[in-house]
Amino acid sequence: ETGVTQSPTHLIKTRGQQVTLRCSSQSGHNTVSWYQQALGQGPQFIFQYYREEENGRGNFPPRFSGLQFPNYSSELNVNALELDDSALYLCASSSRAITDTQYFGPGTRLTVL
Amino acid sequence: AQTVTQSQPEMSVQEAETVTLSCTYDTSESDYYLFWYKQPPSRQMILVIRQEAYKQQNATENRFSVNFQKAAKSFSLKISDSQLGDAAMYFCAYRRGGTSYGKLTFGQGTILTVHP
Repeated sequence: ETGVTQSPTHLIKTRGQQVTLRCSSQSGHNTVSWYQQALGQGPQFIFQYYREEENGRGNFPPRFSGLQFPNYSSELNVNALELDDSALYLCASSSRAITDTQYFGPGTRLTVL
Repeated sequence: AQTVTQSQPEMSVQEAETVTLSCTYDTSESDYYLFWYKQPPSRQMILVIRQEAYKQQNATENRFSVNFQKAAKSFSLKISDSQLGDAAMYFCAYRRGGTSYGKLTFGQGTILTVHP
C-alpha cells in the first residue's frame, strides 16, 4: 500500500510569486485535506477536497486555492505569496468508506523571501 | 468553535519510564473523534491513537493508551516503557463526527524528550 506523498520537499519563493504544491493520496483514499503548519505550532486547516469538489474551508484567503484530480491526487496553489506564508504544508488523505482517519504526507517546506 | 489545548509545551522522560501528555478540548458536539499524532524531526505526522467519543473504553495501541474523560473534556496520552524513538512533538486533535466534513483541529503540541 502506497502512503501519502508530497512534492516538492522544499521550495523557496519570493514575495508576490505563485506556488503549486502537489499531493498524491494513499491508495483507496478519496479525500484530501491541506494544512498549514507554522514553525512550532499545530497545523491549521486550509481546505478539504472530496471527489474533485471543495468540501470545507478554513480561515484562509481566496489566494489559497486547490484542485483534486480524478485519481484523487491534489494541488494547493498560493498566489501573491506573502512572508507569512512561509510554513510547512501538510497534505492528508482519508476515505469516507473506512474510518475517515487522516494519514499525512511528509510535507512541503515553503520559504518566502 | 472547537478548541484543543495542550498545556505542556515540553515534557521529558527517562528511557523505560512512563509519561503522560495532557490535552483538553472544548466542544458542544456529542459525536466526535479524538486523535494523538506524533511528529518527529522528519516532519511526517504519524497517527498514534484514535478514540471515538461514543466509546466508553479507552483506546490502546501497544505502549500507548489514552485516558478519555468525556465529561471533563480531557484526553491524555500515556506512553509506557518510553523509548528513544518516542522523542517527537505530540499533537492532540479533534474531529467532529456525524458529518462528511473531516477538518482536524489541533492543539499547540507538546515536545517530548526521552533521556537515555
